[in-house]
Amino acid sequence: QKEVEQNSGPLSVPEGAIASLNCTYSDRGSQSFFWYRQYSGKSPELIMSIYSNGDKEDGRFTAQLNKASQYVSLLIRDSQPSDSATYLCAVNRINNNAGNMLTFGGGTRLMVKP
Amino acid sequence: DAGITQSPRYKITETGRQVTLMCHQTWSHSYMFWYRQDLGHGLRLIYYSAAADITDKGEVPDGYVVSRSKTENFPLTLESATRSQTSVYFCASSERLTGDVVFFGQGTRLTVV
Repeated sequence: QKEVEQNSGPLSVPEGAIASLNCTYSDRGSQSFFWYRQYSGKSPELIMSIYSNGDKEDGRFTAQLNKASQYVSLLIRDSQPSDSATYLCAVNRINNNAGNMLTFGGGTRLMVKP
Repeated sequence: DAGITQSPRYKITETGRQVTLMCHQTWSHSYMFWYRQDLGHGLRLIYYSAAADITDKGEVPDGYVVSRSKTENFPLTLESATRSQTSVYFCASSERLTGDVVFFGQGTRLTVV
């Protein structure tokens, strides 16, 4: 079992719809959770971070965290073609020898169709 | 400009050759990382550094060597390149190791033939 799992997609949604991206993680000691967006051929860029259970909203983006279920999600409202990208879920993982570091899921490719 | 830059952006090398990928950051971030990104595997951590002269292995360190003599530079060396090391390599940095934003460089696409 991978430490951070995402459906690779592609997830296809029409323009204006809500895109829902999901991520599960295996380490119950994880404390910080991030969503990165990566356009084809580009580097990942942070779009959301969440540290406590519940929802966190930032513009059209909402991150949801449920530590009991070990589940993180990202909702994108009013999806635009420019949102078409791969979305990477990242979780900080405790390494007893070296502290905490990020572990990434494989990413979900989102396609928003005009 | 402030940020994190990688060089070269593209590199083709032959099996068995030594190649060094450069990474430079201007933020004075304490932590720096090297990831590789491959289809089906996502981003995997190769090495990281907590400060100058402090480095540690990540998930996939075999075949790689790093050094960090200065805070701003974190080169990654492939001692004897293999075809399995064909990948996109990302350098990244953050101020803190725990729960802090990690910023990525633009990546180096390495092809080993």
